[in-house]
Amino acid sequence: EVQLVESGGGLVQPGRSLKLSCAASGFTFSNYYMAWVRQAPKKGLEWVATISTSGSRTYYPDSVKGRFTISRDNAKSSLYLQMNSLKSEDTATYYCARQLEGFAYWGQGTLVTVSS
Amino acid sequence: DIQMTQSPASLSASLGETVTIECRASEDIYSNLAWYQQKPGNSPQLLIYDANSLADGVPSRFSGSGSGTQYSLKINSLQSEDVASYFCQQYNNYPFTFGSGTKLEIK
Repeated sequence: EVQLVESGGGLVQPGRSLKLSCAASGFTFSNYYMAWVRQAPKKGLEWVATISTSGSRTYYPDSVKGRFTISRDNAKSSLYLQMNSLKSEDTATYYCARQLEGFAYWGQGTLVTVSS
Repeated sequence: DIQMTQSPASLSASLGETVTIECRASEDIYSNLAWYQQKPGNSPQLLIYDANSLADGVPSRFSGSGSGTQYSLKINSLQSEDVASYFCQQYNNYPFTFGSGTKLEIK
């Protein structure tokens, strides 16, 4: 059974940093592109980042480019999101997702609240 | 960036009815479109990929169609467990973009 379990969310002040983790199991992690998708409270879905199987290619929307960094450790079947210079508008539940023709599997999400 | 315009924003229908949700892309996305269902308090779940392919475990009353810039999700024989928000998403180009969502309620 495919499982994606996020961790690392919490309350953080504007301008500070936070690193999210996602532990994957139930599939060959190194065979799949992986992504982060977020959802602000009571709002829609926003794609945040994607990483290729080897980690050599990464993709971001303009809203987070230069502030967020996606990475992976295939030996540990783990995905990460380093978030720097956080803003109030980054407040959201962050989901880890397996990417292939859409996002077929999602984690339960981890809430990040950016507030002073 | 490709804009995804989803309609309607909300929808109320009776049990057993058929409902349709539309999604229009700002340019041709060559059927690289997915539909998701999100029930309150839960993570999104993939329903349809490649515009018309049913994801594993999804009931056959859900179907997707369309091409080019126009796509739709149809739910036949509406059930109480279909109460949820529905989102379309294009994966033809980065940045991937989602529709704004449709909230489905039962009358």
